[in-house]
Amino acid sequence: GAGVSQSPSNKVTEKGKDVELRCDPISGHTALYWYRQRLGQGLEFLIYFQGNSAPDKSGLPSDRFSAERTGESVSTLTIQRTQQEDSAVYLCASSFQVNEQFFGPGTRLTVL
Amino acid sequence: RKEVEQDPGPFNVPEGATVAFNCTYSNSASQSFFWYRQDCRKEPKLLMSVYSSGNEDGRFTAQLNRASQYISLLIRDSKLSDSATYLCVVIRGTGRRALTFGSGTRLQVQP
Repeated sequence: GAGVSQSPSNKVTEKGKDVELRCDPISGHTALYWYRQRLGQGLEFLIYFQGNSAPDKSGLPSDRFSAERTGESVSTLTIQRTQQEDSAVYLCASSFQVNEQFFGPGTRLTVL
Repeated sequence: RKEVEQDPGPFNVPEGATVAFNCTYSNSASQSFFWYRQDCRKEPKLLMSVYSSGNEDGRFTAQLNRASQYISLLIRDSKLSDSATYLCVVIRGTGRRALTFGSGTRLQVQP
């Protein structure tokens, strides 16, 4: 079946612009995670959605970052007033069983 | 101190060699442990879970040492296709069910 998909695959934007990244999780997966991975670095947790519970936003680096999820479907990660340090690959993952996460291919964001 | 620490490597080994990676974690409440594999410019994929009794999957063996708070991954008979970054992953026992990733250990298997 279909895996986790993300769009766009690449995004180049100018400093100060807003961007919106999309994640389509695997159907039936109740949990959805957003991570950021800078070049040569490990994964950095951003936000976690579990069913209808309040999301865990403890990893969001600043108030310029926000994310939404409608039910157990699509999620969008929005970065306002982008800065050059926001350049990274943004990875989305979903899971049904809490122990295994399936990752999307990521969105490579470049802020000029 | 980072919650999950790994030697970044790279580990350069010849084909057929046996190689082992360790990963230490600082939160004693951690309950679940995994190894993920990430190929260059690709997303991470689950390689194997790590169980207290140790577990094996083909050429790969994972071990957990709770007393010393580390997990290990042993790869026997290395293949060129094993070249990748291996990420140690820990789930905290309580609170948010988010994985904490190590920065990864890069393995390069050479012909």
